Amino acid sequence: GENVEQHPSTLSVQEGDSAVIKCTYSDSASNYFPWYKQELGKRPQLIIDIRSNVGEKKDQRIAVTLNKTAKHFSLHITETQPEDSAVYFCAAEEVGSQGNLIFGKGTKLSVKP
Amino acid sequence: EAQVTQNPRYLITVTGKKLTVTCSQNMNHEYMSWYRQDPGLGLRQIYYSMNVEVTDKGDVPEGYKVSRKEKRNFPLILESPSPNQTSLYFCASSLDVSNEQFFGPGTRLTVL
Repeated sequence: GENVEQHPSTLSVQEGDSAVIKCTYSDSASNYFPWYKQELGKRPQLIIDIRSNVGEKKDQRIAVTLNKTAKHFSLHITETQPEDSAVYFCAAEEVGSQGNLIFGKGTKLSVKP
Repeated sequence: EAQVTQNPRYLITVTGKKLTVTCSQNMNHEYMSWYRQDPGLGLRQIYYSMNVEVTDKGDVPEGYKVSRKEKRNFPLILESPSPNQTSLYFCASSLDVSNEQFFGPGTRLTVL
């Protein structure tokens, strides 16, 4: 089945710097890769997703890149702000199951003002 | 307002006492799912449902049951809870697995 590895587990940056979180997946047939943000004490919320027919997607300060050959995808946050501090989860759809979404273990991002 | 609701939000119980956590969505979503969240382990899928009367196991189904008799409801049942099921549980719904999942507020369960 699908396996998703996420790195780093913690990341600390200064306000205004960029942050990059990387995930690798094992199932080359996977074609849907969402990223969720979970603020302290809150529920996870989708911030961006990408499908296998595109290599990059941007939404304001957030971008996701996908390298299907290497089976990895990354979240890029530019001009970080204190409100970006949260736990970020990547995920990949397990194609064989047609319903199983496999999450990475999460990255705790801290943005220092 | 489009939302996913869960009840109860907090529950402390004892080993072996059957319990049910309810989940309801008002977005007419076909796909619903249950996750548990534990420190350092991220979100792990317990069960999911592609539609009414269609359910399937996720990564960690042992000790849990679900049912999907109506489109809007997807209850999680612990027939005989054990301390290793102490966790934060999230229900989620979406059009299908390849679309945005809307999470409920979470249920913090403690099994003594």
